[in-house]
Amino acid sequence: GDSVTQMEGPVTLSEEAFLTINCTYTATGYPSLFWYVQYPGEGLQLLLKATKADDKGSNKGFEATYRKETTSFHLEKGSVQVSDSAVYFCALSIETSGSRLTFGEGTQLTVNP
Amino acid sequence: GAGVSQSPRYKVAKRGQDVALRCDPISGHVSLFWYQQALGQGPEFLTYFQNEAQLDKSGLPSDRFFAERPEGSVSTLKIQRTQQEDSAVYLCASSSWTLTRGTEAFFGQGTRLTVV
Repeated sequence: GDSVTQMEGPVTLSEEAFLTINCTYTATGYPSLFWYVQYPGEGLQLLLKATKADDKGSNKGFEATYRKETTSFHLEKGSVQVSDSAVYFCALSIETSGSRLTFGEGTQLTVNP
Repeated sequence: GAGVSQSPRYKVAKRGQDVALRCDPISGHVSLFWYQQALGQGPEFLTYFQNEAQLDKSGLPSDRFFAERPEGSVSTLKIQRTQQEDSAVYLCASSSWTLTRGTEAFFGQGTRLTVV
């Protein structure tokens, strides 16, 4: 079946540090890939997405590139801020499955001033 | 409405009690999903509606779980004879129906169910 694996957390960084959160996937079809973020006390919201190989999704300084050869979609940001503290979820969807999302286990990020 | 609304936000149920969780999707959204999120885990798919039709219920963990969306708008997830392992956050998401890949799903804040 389809699955998503994220790097184990939690991750603690100082402000302005470089962030990488690793994500790899297994899929029976050709998935679209997503990063969702959950800020404290809020619902899940889409951060960025990519729908085909070599596409780069970007938003709010975050980037992730769809790598079909390594089945990966790693999240990166060059300089994190305290306001980036949240839980980050990598996910995939396949249209033949009704576009339901398969999520990774989530990575808690804490950024200290 | 402005976003996906879920109620109640918190529910404490005694073991064996029946509960009903409500989801109001974004107006006009055809697709509606329910997910279950255990503490410290990612959300797991429960069921999917397209309008009033329940097209996929493969994620429902047992026949104690039942979902409906009778008029293609508001949805209710019902859990009968709750057990402690049902304790989780139940998330509802909606999206517009489109043939475009990577359609965004909009999530509610969830209902935190605690079974005691």
